[in-house]
Amino acid sequence: TQLLEQSPQFLSIQEGENLTVYCNSSSVFSSLQWYRQEPGEGPVLLVTVVTGGEVKKLKRLTFQFGDARKDSSLHITAAQPGDTGLYLCAGLDNYGQNFVFGPGTRLSVLP
Amino acid sequence: GAGVSQSPSNKVTEKGKDVELRCDPISGHTALYWYRQSLGQGLEFLIYFQGNSAPDKSGLPSDRFSAERTGGSVSTLTIQRTQQEDSAVYLCASSSSGLAGPIYNEQFFGPGTRLTVL
Repeated sequence: TQLLEQSPQFLSIQEGENLTVYCNSSSVFSSLQWYRQEPGEGPVLLVTVVTGGEVKKLKRLTFQFGDARKDSSLHITAAQPGDTGLYLCAGLDNYGQNFVFGPGTRLSVLP
Repeated sequence: GAGVSQSPSNKVTEKGKDVELRCDPISGHTALYWYRQSLGQGLEFLIYFQGNSAPDKSGLPSDRFSAERTGGSVSTLTIQRTQQEDSAVYLCASSSSGLAGPIYNEQFFGPGTRLTVL
């Protein structure tokens, strides 16, 4: 069974600070996705990373996929209250069918 | 609508009753997923439908849980003899590919059904 762990579980920071959250596994995934979920809504896809060592940037968000495709990180620069939410990573298994979700990091950015 | 819709948005039931949760995926999406999310937790995979293939039921927690997808579109998740531990948000997602599809497979999620078993 492929499992994903995320850390930290909770993170509360002030507006303008930088932060990094992590997604780790002992298994290899064919791709890995990051989602953000706000209260009362379903998760929304932020990015998909596919190649080991890949780095993708979306405005203030930087995503990295580990060389061995077992881990990933999300770095947010100058966090804003609008970044508040539950950040979930999801790994696509090697059959390309099922997604394994991590438990999430709950981020709170205080104004 | 253009997105995934789910109904009802909230369901309160008594222990032992059966419930049905509905998901309307995005038109044309061949893959449909059901997940369960307990309070403050991540997503637990329940079942996956891809086209006309046999569904992957490996995530269903017990035989009280079942799901159907009629005509390759609408799906219904049924929970029989509900228990208090079934209380959670049930999320449905659809995507445009599945088996051997591209690895940039994006799931589009509905808003979920919040189930409370008293």
